[in-house]
Amino acid sequence: AQKITQTQPGMFVQEKEAVTLDCTYDTSDPSYGLFWYKQPSSGEMIFLIYQGSYDQQNATEGRYSLNFQKARKSANLVISASQLGDSAMYFCAMREVIQGAQKLVFGQGTRLTINP
Amino acid sequence: DSGVTQTPKHLITATGQRVTLRCSPRSGDLSVYWYQQSLDQGLQFLIQYYNGEERAKGNILERFSAQQFPDLHSELNLSSLELGDSALYFCASSEGPGYSYEQYFGPGTRLTVT
Repeated sequence: AQKITQTQPGMFVQEKEAVTLDCTYDTSDPSYGLFWYKQPSSGEMIFLIYQGSYDQQNATEGRYSLNFQKARKSANLVISASQLGDSAMYFCAMREVIQGAQKLVFGQGTRLTINP
Repeated sequence: DSGVTQTPKHLITATGQRVTLRCSPRSGDLSVYWYQQSLDQGLQFLIQYYNGEERAKGNILERFSAQQFPDLHSELNLSSLELGDSALYFCASSEGPGYSYEQYFGPGTRLTVT
């Protein structure tokens, strides 16, 4: 079974600093996908970034980038120039495909707080 | 706004009762997924439907059931409710059954069982 581990329950960062949220995964499938979602206090899940296991380059989306180290099975999210609005829970997830159907397996999340 | 809608936004009910949560996927999406987010279990996949048919099942209790209708909206039915069923229930949708890589989440339904 696939597993996602987020070892940082909470992080506190000063505004405008860069922040790295850790995620390690465990899978025996050669083909997989890794996702990061943001969940603000309002509760909705917001898709941030995706990395496929065969992608040659690290994914980037605006201020978000994914530091993908396949050999180490890590997929850390990097947020550059953090903003107060980045304060939220962040979840790392892996796509698991079962008989052609996909589900997402989530880590426990990291609560990020940006201080002014 | 992801384009996925869920109703109701909040639901408060008593133990032993039955409730129905509703989800409308994004226009054009054929797959619907249900997830449960609770404090002790985190975010867990419950069940997936694709074009009206069940495609994958996760940690869904026998007291829970779901279906997807011809117009592609989906309903999650929770019966004989227990205090531990209190959680945020998310619906997500994607274009395909397994190879579309992005799931779009709805705003969630917060269920409180008293």
